[in-house]
Amino acid sequence: DGGITQSPKYLFRKEGQNVTLSCEQNLNHDAMYWYRQDPGQGLRLIYYSQIVNDFQKGDIAEGYSVSREKKESFPLTVTSAQKNPTAFYLCASSPSGAGDTEAFFGQGTRLTVV
Amino acid sequence: QQQVKQSPQSLIVQKGGISIINCAYENTAFDYFPWYQQFPGKGPALLIAIRPDVSEKKEGRFTISFNKSAKQFSLHIMDSQPGDSATYFCAAKDYMDDKIIFGKGTRLHILP
Repeated sequence: DGGITQSPKYLFRKEGQNVTLSCEQNLNHDAMYWYRQDPGQGLRLIYYSQIVNDFQKGDIAEGYSVSREKKESFPLTVTSAQKNPTAFYLCASSPSGAGDTEAFFGQGTRLTVV
Repeated sequence: QQQVKQSPQSLIVQKGGISIINCAYENTAFDYFPWYQQFPGKGPALLIAIRPDVSEKKEGRFTISFNKSAKQFSLHIMDSQPGDSATYFCAAKDYMDDKIIFGKGTRLHILP
């Protein structure tokens, strides 16, 4: 089945630790995205990538890092510099360019930092 | 900085009624306007989308109305059902850099 897979579904970490969230897609999409979802805040863009080995900061990139070494994979690292990391994280992918380019989302990772 | 403004934040509608959610944008580089539906604990899923060269698009009970000059678009859900209870997000995609920006969402509750 084609789709986008995020793992794990739930993640618990101690304050001060870095943690990496996995995102894999087999849709052959060029563009990939990471969003953070908090109650009442909608989906806020953290990072996005249009092509392998290239990515751009979104609106709330501070305290996060990403890599895009393969087309299928776009892992997100939540660093200890992120002041309030507890949130629901969503990864998405879409075809690149203009036109009807639907974004497909994973099922999300709920990160809790204690 | 939110570039897509969505309202209302929450909405309660009687079963069989019409649910209306509105969005406004500023960036003229946006060329694709999707609406997503999200159930608790799940990722958003595409509901319906429109391009700016079309003023209206209908799929079943869901209709998008688009006003390019006003930079506004809205989602209408006809004959709303309890199963439509979810959070709805409007979004806009910038064709120049593939950036997708979402509104803050509307929590819709349909009363049985």
